Amino acid sequence: AQTVTQSQPEMSVQEAETVTLSCTYDTSESDYYLFWYKQPPSRQMILVIRQEAYKQQNATENRFSVNFQKAAKSFSLKISDSQLGDAAMYFCAPRVGNNNDMRFGAGTRLTVKP
Amino acid sequence: NAGVMQNPRHLVRRRGQEARLRCSPMKGHSHVYWYRQLPEEGLKFMVYLQKENIIDESGMPKERFSAEFPKEGPSILRIQQVVRGDSAAYFCASSPPVRSLYGYTFGSGTRLTVV
Repeated sequence: AQTVTQSQPEMSVQEAETVTLSCTYDTSESDYYLFWYKQPPSRQMILVIRQEAYKQQNATENRFSVNFQKAAKSFSLKISDSQLGDAAMYFCAPRVGNNNDMRFGAGTRLTVKP
Repeated sequence: NAGVMQNPRHLVRRRGQEARLRCSPMKGHSHVYWYRQLPEEGLKFMVYLQKENIIDESGMPKERFSAEFPKEGPSILRIQQVVRGDSAAYFCASSPPVRSLYGYTFGSGTRLTVV
């Protein structure tokens, strides 16, 4: 079974500061995809950023970037210039396997302090 | 271009009743996934379906739960004889047929409350 570990149940960051959320996963495949989703209090799941495992370059989307370490099977999310609207649950989700399905970590609750 | 539509948004059932949750995928998406989220927890995979086929149901409880994705119409997650422990948010997601960087598009979820 695929394992996804988010070791930080809760994180807190000051507005305008930078925070990094960690994620490790387990797979024997070499070609797969990795995603970070955000779930605000509205419960809607929102795609934040995605990475292809065969690409060495780390993905970046505005204030969001990843640090992808393939050998270590690590996929951390960095949020720069944190804003109050970034407060949410963040889920790491690798998409591996022939079945095409995605498994989620337990999530990290991010609080942004004004 | 409607996204993934789930209904109802909220569903209240008494213990022993049946719950039917509906999911219409995005246009052009032929793959549907159901997840369950308990309060303060992550999303737990339940089942992955394509039209008229169950591809992976490894996350489905062995009894009382079933899912279908007919040739016509929405995908249905059915829970028979509900119990209090079934109270949760149930999310549906859809994706195109090819595994890709696209990821999933999620619906807004159905919050099931069993009283």
